[in-house]
Amino acid sequence: AQKVTQAQTEISVVEKEDVTLDCVYETRDTTYYLFWYKQPPSGELVFLIRRNSFDEQNEISGRYSWNFQKSTSSFNFTITASQVVDSAVYFCALSEPNTGNQFYFGTGTSLTVIP
Amino acid sequence: AAGVIQSPRHLIKEKRETATLKCYPIPRHDTVYWYQQGPGQDPQFLISFYEKMQSDKGSIPDRFSAQQFSDYHSELNMSSLELGDSALYFCASSGGGYYGYTFGSGTRLTVV
Repeated sequence: AQKVTQAQTEISVVEKEDVTLDCVYETRDTTYYLFWYKQPPSGELVFLIRRNSFDEQNEISGRYSWNFQKSTSSFNFTITASQVVDSAVYFCALSEPNTGNQFYFGTGTSLTVIP
Repeated sequence: AAGVIQSPRHLIKEKRETATLKCYPIPRHDTVYWYQQGPGQDPQFLISFYEKMQSDKGSIPDRFSAQQFSDYHSELNMSSLELGDSALYFCASSGGGYYGYTFGSGTRLTVV
């Protein structure tokens, strides 16, 4: 069973629009970590954020913001005023430190920002 | 700051050949993970090592083997390569009480 679900396979927005990427996770562990990574066409995985299961504070970093809600097992990512450079595949991931700490990635959301 | 170093960055091999991918973790990181990302797919966990011992195993084919050496670098050995092995191979390291990962830039393997 997929532990991380990213229901949006592809999203296209016009530059300067806001866009939210959805991520729903599944775990029985009480201690876990959630991550977002950006993968541009060059292929590397660029770390964006890490959130532990005990910290439900939302976070804002420039044009990026994250909404973590344990009640709905969601960790959504919003880009405000999108730019062409935001075009990439975005992966949400879950790790469970008490059971091996391997990453479970979602299937990714391909974001295209149209100028 | 030092990052995770993977070599080579690109590798082209023919079917049935062997390949060795190398990973040098961040200094003082004691755990190494290997992931395989096929075209258009998400990264899939292959195998991990902690303190030079295999700690966890994912969907690694029997044709692949890996080890972590005394200096903590790791090598992924792939034999009898198949076209389907063409993928991005990522290494990541963690350690020092930090449960997050640092990924390397990946090795792009193309099997022709």
